[in-house]
Amino acid sequence: QKEVEQNSGPLSVPEGAIASLNCTYSDRGSQSFFWYRQYSGKSPELIMFIYSNGDKEDGRFTAQLNKASQYVSLLIRDSQPSDSATYLCAVNQAGTALIFGKGTTLSVSS
Amino acid sequence: SAVISQKPSRDICQRGTSLTIQCQVDSQVTMMFWYRQQPGQSLTLIATANQGSEATYESGFVIDKFPISRPNLTFSTLTVSNMSPEDSSIYLCSAGLAGVDEQYFGPGTRLTVT
Repeated sequence: QKEVEQNSGPLSVPEGAIASLNCTYSDRGSQSFFWYRQYSGKSPELIMFIYSNGDKEDGRFTAQLNKASQYVSLLIRDSQPSDSATYLCAVNQAGTALIFGKGTTLSVSS
Repeated sequence: SAVISQKPSRDICQRGTSLTIQCQVDSQVTMMFWYRQQPGQSLTLIATANQGSEATYESGFVIDKFPISRPNLTFSTLTVSNMSPEDSSIYLCSAGLAGVDEQYFGPGTRLTVT
């Protein structure tokens, strides 16, 4: 059974702080790794994807991948109240459906 | 990225009836997927819809209950048949662009079965 594990949270951070979201996966054959943001009542929105070990930065977001440890993380710098949402980690092998974690709820207080 | 639309956005249906959800993508895509998200839960894959072939269903989902069509590279439908209150959920379609692994989601269909 292929699994993706996330802490459900809630993760609470003050405005301006760094939020760190973590994810582990069981399938060593996983090739692609994604972070989706989902606001309440909305569909998931792709915010980051990473394929290679190391860091990938896009604005305030940094995705980190360590395939040896089967670990993916998302860092959000200078967190804003508008970042408050559920963050879903997803993995797949090429051309296959995504396997989602249960999501981590982030709350950024002003 | 791909822009995906779904119809209807929401519906309230009576037990025993069926509802067909449409998913339209603004570009040709190889893979389309249907997910279900129950309240407070993560996404569960129902099936993968490939153009020109039968859909592939995940464990716990069967074609008689969730028939899927994929007539071309931009469109798919999911039917929820013989509905019961347990089918109340948000149904989401997603699509993967050819040559890349990123998948994008439609806005979802919120189904309530009474």
